[in-house]
Amino acid sequence: ETGVTQTPRHLVMGMTNKKSLKCEQHLGHNAMYWYKQSAKKPLELMFVYNFKEQTENNSVPSRFSPECPNSSHLFLHLHTLQPEDSALYLCASSQEEQTTTDTQYFGPGTRLTVL
Amino acid sequence: AQSVSQHNHHVILSEAASLELGCNYSYGGTVNLFWYVQYPGQHLQLLLKYFSGDPLVKGIKGFEAEFIKSKFSFNLRKPSVQWSDTAEYFCAVTNDYKLSFGAGTTVTVRA
Repeated sequence: ETGVTQTPRHLVMGMTNKKSLKCEQHLGHNAMYWYKQSAKKPLELMFVYNFKEQTENNSVPSRFSPECPNSSHLFLHLHTLQPEDSALYLCASSQEEQTTTDTQYFGPGTRLTVL
Repeated sequence: AQSVSQHNHHVILSEAASLELGCNYSYGGTVNLFWYVQYPGQHLQLLLKYFSGDPLVKGIKGFEAEFIKSKFSFNLRKPSVQWSDTAEYFCAVTNDYKLSFGAGTTVTVRA
């Protein structure tokens, strides 16, 4: 148990559906991250929130919409996705974003399949 | 842009064999280096990290890594692997507060 939980663990959705991924961290951290993990590719950083403020949007398509209502919760809202968006979506947290020595703690991920 | 290269995509070895996984990065400034491991069906977790000091870093489960600044490398080693070391291993580097990952190396240990 890393202290970072993600729900759902698996999600299958059609291209016209709207769904949301949820991440919660119980570590008292102030920075939270969304990553996309595709097979045999490096983890791709999508979004970063530091103290609830979005500090990074790594050229992510607008069909992915993050939300961070507080430092413990992070959502990723999905709509009109494409099959190539199928991947494992990982949430992570760290004490603060602007500290290079911080360790990021990862959740188990949501395996997303877009039909 | 910062890049992290892991040269081995899949390594297969027998129990008690020695393991070395290569990691090279492209940035020439001050970096912090990590190895993460993802066991089958489990979350990504930290194996070890290097920030400064002794370039030979010891982590959990008998793993160690050596930072060689002149070679821009941070290779992971374990002298004698066990079946339970079967996992995917990711090298990661921070620079400008961004954590960049390599593509990962799948390690399969045969009993």
